Amino acid sequence: NAGVTQTPKFQVLKTGQSMTLQCAQDMNHEYMSWYRQDPGMGLRLIHYSVGAGITDQGEVPNGYNVSRSTTEDFPLRLLSAAPSQTSVYFCASNPDRDNQNTEAFFGQGTRLTVV
Amino acid sequence: DQQVKQNSPSLSVQEGRISILNCDYTNSMFDYFLWYKKYPAEGPTFLISISSIKDKNEDGRFTVFLNKSAKHLSLHIVPSQPGDSAVYFCAAKRYTGNQFYFGTGTSLTVIP
Repeated sequence: NAGVTQTPKFQVLKTGQSMTLQCAQDMNHEYMSWYRQDPGMGLRLIHYSVGAGITDQGEVPNGYNVSRSTTEDFPLRLLSAAPSQTSVYFCASNPDRDNQNTEAFFGQGTRLTVV
Repeated sequence: DQQVKQNSPSLSVQEGRISILNCDYTNSMFDYFLWYKKYPAEGPTFLISISSIKDKNEDGRFTVFLNKSAKHLSLHIVPSQPGDSAVYFCAAKRYTGNQFYFGTGTSLTVIP
């Protein structure tokens, strides 16, 4: 099982550049989300989606866009990269069946450096 | 404001002894709690969870305890093994939502 796949694993951007972090899951999960991990801050939610065509903001959405055109894919777009967006980004998915308590499954992460 | 807190950034334990990792939360609406384990350069992986209707859940060497009145949970690892060396995150959510709130993590080192 591939689970949650993120690409790329590493990326260096110049300030002002844009890019898309890819995330795909093959578990037919309805719920997908993006987190960033920073030292001393834990994982913070950027955006999430409860199904195709539905997205919403998390705790730290500024500077990021998302879309969900299919159940499998949930890309994260950085519109104009800033050094403050240097972080490790994790995509996660979990089933959303009648709000049952389930765990999230994480991808391997993308380490992004903005110079 | 951090709704889930792990006040110990690091913990060192001898192999074979007990590791106790602590987590506090502030939101009384949280009713499902999870522990994740993370190795360097990998994504977090689910370890164990507990619902607010319980005060203890065991899975092999791992036990999670929940004290709702104190808004505190802990993860016990007995006996600790060198392969347990990792960063441990606690997380919480409300039953009616799927948003997870994570603590800042505790780095556990098990010394052989």
